Amino acid sequence: EVLLVESGGGLVQPGGSLRLSCVVSGFTLSDHYMDWVRQAPGKGLEWVGRTRYKASSYTTEYAASVKGRFTISRDDSKNSVYLQMNSLRTEDTAVYYCTSGVFVPYYFAYWGQGTLVTVSS
Amino acid sequence: DIQLTQSPSFLSASVGDRVTITCRASLGITSDLAWYQQKPGKAPNLLIYAASTLQSGVPSRFSGSGSGTEFTLTISSLQPEDFATYYCQQFKSYPLAFGPGTKVDIK
Repeated sequence: EVLLVESGGGLVQPGGSLRLSCVVSGFTLSDHYMDWVRQAPGKGLEWVGRTRYKASSYTTEYAASVKGRFTISRDDSKNSVYLQMNSLRTEDTAVYYCTSGVFVPYYFAYWGQGTLVTVSS
Repeated sequence: DIQLTQSPSFLSASVGDRVTITCRASLGITSDLAWYQQKPGKAPNLLIYAASTLQSGVPSRFSGSGSGTEFTLTISSLQPEDFATYYCQQFKSYPLAFGPGTKVDIK
């Protein structure tokens, strides 16, 4: 069974940092792209960024709204993907999901349950 | 960047109705489009990928069509569990934008 479980959310002050983790099981992480998607309260879905698989040298892509502030990394040996968020702003408040296609490459077939990040003073 | 629009933004329908949602891309995206269903407090659920391929386990009353810049999601006979918000997403180029969503509510 494919599972993705996020953790690390919480309350942080503007300008602060937070690192989210996504632990996966049921598939070989090194063979798959992984993405982060967020959803602000009462709003739509926003793609945050992507880490490609080992065969593509783990290269990354980011949305303009987070580029230079957020960094996606992964540790395939720990079945984990990370979202390091720096210089947080109130508009970064959202539920953050990790997602992957797994058996449907490139699309978002599997999702975690999400973790809430609240940026507020 | 490729922008997606959806119409309508809100749809009120009855059980048994045929429902169609449209997604339009600002540039051609061939068939690199997916549709998701999201219920309150839950993660999105992939319904359709590559514009018209039904994801495993999704009921056959859902179908997708289109290519280029115009796409549709059709629910042939709306069921009580289908009341939700639906999003399209393009996979042609970065950023991988979502549409703004269509909320399907009970009439």
